[in-house]
Amino acid sequence: ELKVEQNPLFLSMQEGKNYTIYCNYSTTSDRLYWYRQDPGKSLESLFVLLSNGAVKQEGRLMASLDTKARLSTLHITAAVHDLSATYFCAVDSYGKLTFGQGTILTVHP
Amino acid sequence: KAGVTQTPRYLIKTRGQQVTLSCSPISGHRSVSWYQQTPGQGLQFLFEYFSETQRNKGNFPGRFSGRQFSNSRSEMNVSTLELGDSALYLCASSDRTGWTGELFFGEGSRLTVL
Repeated sequence: ELKVEQNPLFLSMQEGKNYTIYCNYSTTSDRLYWYRQDPGKSLESLFVLLSNGAVKQEGRLMASLDTKARLSTLHITAAVHDLSATYFCAVDSYGKLTFGQGTILTVHP
Repeated sequence: KAGVTQTPRYLIKTRGQQVTLSCSPISGHRSVSWYQQTPGQGLQFLFEYFSETQRNKGNFPGRFSGRQFSNSRSEMNVSTLELGDSALYLCASSDRTGWTGELFFGEGSRLTVL
């Protein structure tokens, strides 16, 4: 059974600082997604990573995928308050997404 | 281009009742997936439909069922509701024909079981 683990689960950051969220998964897959969820809202797609070594960047967020290590990272650069949300990684296995527990990110002034 | 539309957005039911949730995918998308989100279990896969056929199923009891119509709209039904079925039910559509293709999620249907 595929397992997906994120860490940390809670992240309190100061504005302007950098940090990384890690996503480890247990079986081979070369399709991984990152989503953002605001309270009471649905999932917003951030990145789709489809191959080993894939790196994608959007604004202050950068995601990467290492399929050999079964690891994806979401790096936050110079955090701002608007990035406060819950971030999920999800691994795709034959059309079924298995999600991590989510990382609750709070950015403080 | 309209996004994924789910109805109803909120509903309250009592134990033992049944509920039907609806999902209209993005135009042209033939794959529809359903997920349940609860504080305790997180996001869990229910099932995926493609061209009116169930292609994949998660580990949920038979009380949870779904179907897809020829216009790709999908419904899911939960019978004999239990308190633990209270959750946000999310529908996702994709233009995937094989196993790749980004999923786009709707706003969800929030079910409360009393």
